[in-house]
Amino acid sequence: AQSVTQLGSHVSVSEGALVLLRCNYSSSVPPYLFWYVQYPNQGLQLLLKYTTGATLVKGINGFEAEFKKSETSFHLTKPSAHMSDAAEYFCAVSLAPGGADGLTFGKGTHLIIQP
Amino acid sequence: DTAVSQTPKYLVTQMGNDKSIKCEQNLGHDTMYWYKQDSKKFLKIMFSYNNKELIINETVPNRFSPKSPDKAHLNLHINSLELGDSAVYFCASSQDRLGDRGHNEQFFGPGTRLTVL
Repeated sequence: AQSVTQLGSHVSVSEGALVLLRCNYSSSVPPYLFWYVQYPNQGLQLLLKYTTGATLVKGINGFEAEFKKSETSFHLTKPSAHMSDAAEYFCAVSLAPGGADGLTFGKGTHLIIQP
Repeated sequence: DTAVSQTPKYLVTQMGNDKSIKCEQNLGHDTMYWYKQDSKKFLKIMFSYNNKELIINETVPNRFSPKSPDKAHLNLHINSLELGDSAVYFCASSQDRLGDRGHNEQFFGPGTRLTVL
């Protein structure tokens, strides 16, 4: 069975600063990894995903993540935070490329942007 | 055009009642899901339907029953509602699992906030 750990339930950064949200996973087989964002009172939106190929994945809104198999990590970064990035971020893992067997989510990280 | 829609958006009801939440997707996807998000925002898969067949049931109480009249709809029926059922329920859909595997993603609906009093 797979699992996901997101370090830090809350992360606060200043506007313009680097954003780093941590995600570690455990899986008995090569996983497929996703980052979703949830704005207040809304559904989830896919930021980016890793299935195969290049380990550095670029997503929407300037976010990117790097799959590191040796560290079982898939940390999310953005060079410069914007106020509009304030939201809940979820890392998820699946054994199927599109998550067709259902996604296993981490507990989420609430990103706070300080002006 | 809303890709994945859910009704109602809010649902307030008494313990013991039976209620339904509807989900529709217009993406032509073959797989649909229900997730539960609790008060701590933890998301957990409940059900997955592929071509009208149940393919996941993550130890959800049998008071919860998904019903799929066609591949564009996956409704969630809940009997004998309990206080612990209060949560936000999300519907999602994705392309067929045997399809173009490299580009699939799950598209989520806006959620239904269920409050059981």
